[in-house]
Amino acid sequence: EAQVTQNPRYLITVTGKKLTVTCSQNMNHEYMSWYRQDPGLGLRQIYYSMNVEVTDKGDVPEGYKVSRKEKRNFPLILESPSPNQTSLYFCASSPEDGGFNSPLHFGNGTRLTVT
Amino acid sequence: DAKTTQPTSMDCAEGRAANLPCNHSTISGNEYVYWYRQIHSQGPQYIIHGLKNNETNEMASLIITEDRKSSTLILPHATLRDTAVYYCIVRARDDKIIFGKGTRLHILP
Repeated sequence: EAQVTQNPRYLITVTGKKLTVTCSQNMNHEYMSWYRQDPGLGLRQIYYSMNVEVTDKGDVPEGYKVSRKEKRNFPLILESPSPNQTSLYFCASSPEDGGFNSPLHFGNGTRLTVT
Repeated sequence: DAKTTQPTSMDCAEGRAANLPCNHSTISGNEYVYWYRQIHSQGPQYIIHGLKNNETNEMASLIITEDRKSSTLILPHATLRDTAVYYCIVRARDDKIIFGKGTRLHILP
């Protein structure tokens, strides 16, 4: 089944403890992206990648890192999480062009709580 | 900021057509209209998109006015599973997808 898989679905951690949220897609998509969703603020883009080894900042990249060493994987790294990074995170992918001609496919989300 | 305006919430009776309006009065000629929906806290799901012609797929129909300043998403026979937040998005090729606050659609049994 074609899908975007995020892990874990739920994560509770403490301030400053490095964590990684994984994202993997099995559709051979070139474009991948991370969003966070907060009440009243909607979905905001964190980072995106047009292809392997190419990553760019979105609207709210501070406090996050990403890497794109392989086409299928796009992990989100929080080197030193803080409580303001408590949020619902979504990974998305599309064949190319960031969802312009082809729809974005989203994962089921990772709910992160930083205490 | 989102380039669209949508009602905050709407109700529709189960089995009836749900018509969700979207205003995009500042749309440019190269910008497309996209619709996504988000059921509870799941990842958003693509529904349909168009430039100026009306579009239909297995999920919905998209009606864009002739001046392109507004559009309507039509779910022809709404079911309880269509209860979700519906996002209308306008973007050109090199633009980011910006999700606004959307319309919360309640399907009533």
